[in-house]
Amino acid sequence: EAGVAQSPRYKIIEKRQSVAFWCNPISGHATLYWYQQILGQGPKLLIQFQNNGVVDDSQLPKDRFSAERLKGVDSTLKIQPAKLEDSAVYLCASSPRPGANVLTFGAGSRLTVL
Amino acid sequence: AQTVTQSQPEMSVQEAETVTLSCTYDTSESDYYLFWYKQPPSRQMILVIRQEAYKQQNATENRFSVNFQKAAKSFSLKISDSQLGDAAMYFCAYQSASGSRLTFGEGTQLTVNP
Repeated sequence: EAGVAQSPRYKIIEKRQSVAFWCNPISGHATLYWYQQILGQGPKLLIQFQNNGVVDDSQLPKDRFSAERLKGVDSTLKIQPAKLEDSAVYLCASSPRPGANVLTFGAGSRLTVL
Repeated sequence: AQTVTQSQPEMSVQEAETVTLSCTYDTSESDYYLFWYKQPPSRQMILVIRQEAYKQQNATENRFSVNFQKAAKSFSLKISDSQLGDAAMYFCAYQSASGSRLTFGEGTQLTVNP
């Protein structure tokens, strides 16, 4: 079984620029998560999708972050405009369904904002 | 809101020895899941072990075992016969039975000395 794919692995941008991250979950997994992991901290949930609908985006900074999951498969997380404090690893994870308590994580996308 | 606390930012162990990583959590729920995840430098978050709160028996996976004390809200991870490949950041995580977000602790960096 293929794992959760993420790209790009690394991205360096200037503040106020925009960036997008892509995630392809495990085939058939209905639930998809985006986590933000700041250096030295544990991951924090940004948004959770069930198929193509949003289940939880309470911790997503909606003034600059947006995410979509078209057709309930791939997902894109966008930051516009980026701030210095957005420097972090963005982890995507998927699970078969809500309540399935085993998440499979991707390798993450590391963002550096200068 | 649930919180997870890992009070040991760093731990070290000699190869072949045993080490215990601590985790405490706070919740008002009675049914939930607890996890230990391992994150090596590759950033891939890997599930180590899972415990259902309704089960009194402590979970075990090969060299990894937990000491789950529900009343004390404590969930420690014991690694026996430590190997060099065990070196990584270890995160304790909480999930309510409804299958919502994973709440992570701040992590413990484990070093294994040869």
